Amino acid sequence: SAVISQKPSRDICQRGTSLTIQCQVDSQVTMMFWYRQQPGQSLTLIATANQGSEATYESGFVIDKFPISRPNLTFSTLTVSNMSPEDSSIYLCSVEDLSLAGGSTDTQYFGPGTRLTVL
Amino acid sequence: LAKTTQPISMDSYEGQEVNITCSHNNIATNDYITWYQQFPSQGPRFIIQGYKTKVTNEVASLFIPADRKSSTLSLPRVSLSDTAVYYCTYNTDKLIFGTGTRLQVFP
Repeated sequence: SAVISQKPSRDICQRGTSLTIQCQVDSQVTMMFWYRQQPGQSLTLIATANQGSEATYESGFVIDKFPISRPNLTFSTLTVSNMSPEDSSIYLCSVEDLSLAGGSTDTQYFGPGTRLTVL
Repeated sequence: LAKTTQPISMDSYEGQEVNITCSHNNIATNDYITWYQQFPSQGPRFIIQGYKTKVTNEVASLFIPADRKSSTLSLPRVSLSDTAVYYCTYNTDKLIFGTGTRLQVFP
């Protein structure tokens, strides 16, 4: 199983600033994913990040607000830009698990999340 | 987008068997059904996956009827540590989480 770490684990930021969240995996993976989970809510997929290509964003999320980097097969960053209190959430990265039969995107390992509070 | 429907919450007592049913009427032929568990302040954790009939592992069982439009996660003899949110998912293109079922286990 993959081991995923995220930095920072939590942060409190002022509105109008930006925060970059790092996601590190202990093995090489093709696909990485970024999710947002607002307090008491389910997870919402922000984007899919493949190494060597532009991230693919879901409806409601744009690159200017959530730029993503994927410089190699073990690392990715998500930046939350020009933050407002509505961006207060937990941000999670995940990677696919190729060991199971269900397909690469059905089974994922998740990081511990980054809890962001915007004042 | 894949849409699943499951009960918002369930209560149980330690030692009981808990069954959580999820409906997924639009599941496609190639889709597997996957369940995740999420504890507070942690990312979701894979529990079990199946395609049809019954799958069992050391944590749970998964029952899938022939039409595959629903699935039931069965947790045998729950303990307090099983208190969590349980999500069923399906989709070979993107992993979409529904509302999940918040299970509370009481002593």
